[in-house]
Amino acid sequence: QVQLQESGPGLVKPSETLSLTCTVSGGSISSYYWSWIRQPAGKGLEWIGRIYTSGSTNYNPSLKSRVTMSVDTSKNQFSLNLTSVTAADTAVYYCARHDYSNPLDYWGQGTLVTVSS
Amino acid sequence: QLVLTQSPSASASLGASVKLTCTLSSGHSSYAIAWHQQQPEKGPRYLMKLNSDGSHSKGDGIPDRFSGSSSGAERYLTISSLQSEDEADYYCQTWGTGIQAFGGGTKLTVL
Repeated sequence: QVQLQESGPGLVKPSETLSLTCTVSGGSISSYYWSWIRQPAGKGLEWIGRIYTSGSTNYNPSLKSRVTMSVDTSKNQFSLNLTSVTAADTAVYYCARHDYSNPLDYWGQGTLVTVSS
Repeated sequence: QLVLTQSPSASASLGASVKLTCTLSSGHSSYAIAWHQQQPEKGPRYLMKLNSDGSHSKGDGIPDRFSGSSSGAERYLTISSLQSEDEADYYCQTWGTGIQAFGGGTKLTVL
């Protein structure tokens, strides 16, 4: 059974960079797409972007200027960096897996990131 | 633009059935979608992939009470024999070239 686990600081200061890592266990990270999704309290899901195990990326146009994703296949991990954060970036951040032309089929449990001084 | 539209809320009685709707934006009626369930204070859980012809494939361990169907640009999730644990937010999701999109979610209340 594939499992995903997000990790990273729960508190980030305004204007700084939010950095999260997702560790994949129970299966290989290879040959899949890996996405980041976030959810502000009481609101819906927002797709941030995805990375393929080759390193190719696609980002949500609304966040593209601030987002960078990377993958480390040797550690079965992928990461998210979101720069110049504001309070509007406060949310639960999820990582998830999908195959080409298929839906997100495995999700992490999520991690709350609060942007505050 | 790839947009999914869901009603904000729905309700049905314990033991009854409910049908939730997700509508694809104009020009995208052939797209497959997925349904995800998010119980209170939990992360989303993948329920099924639903194709435009109504065929669907469910995720691991998803009960037979959950089924999907399609008509034109509309995609449906039917939950039969409603149980208290079905009270949750339900999101539809689709994908295009280099993009993923979510509907706004439907909050299901089991009465």
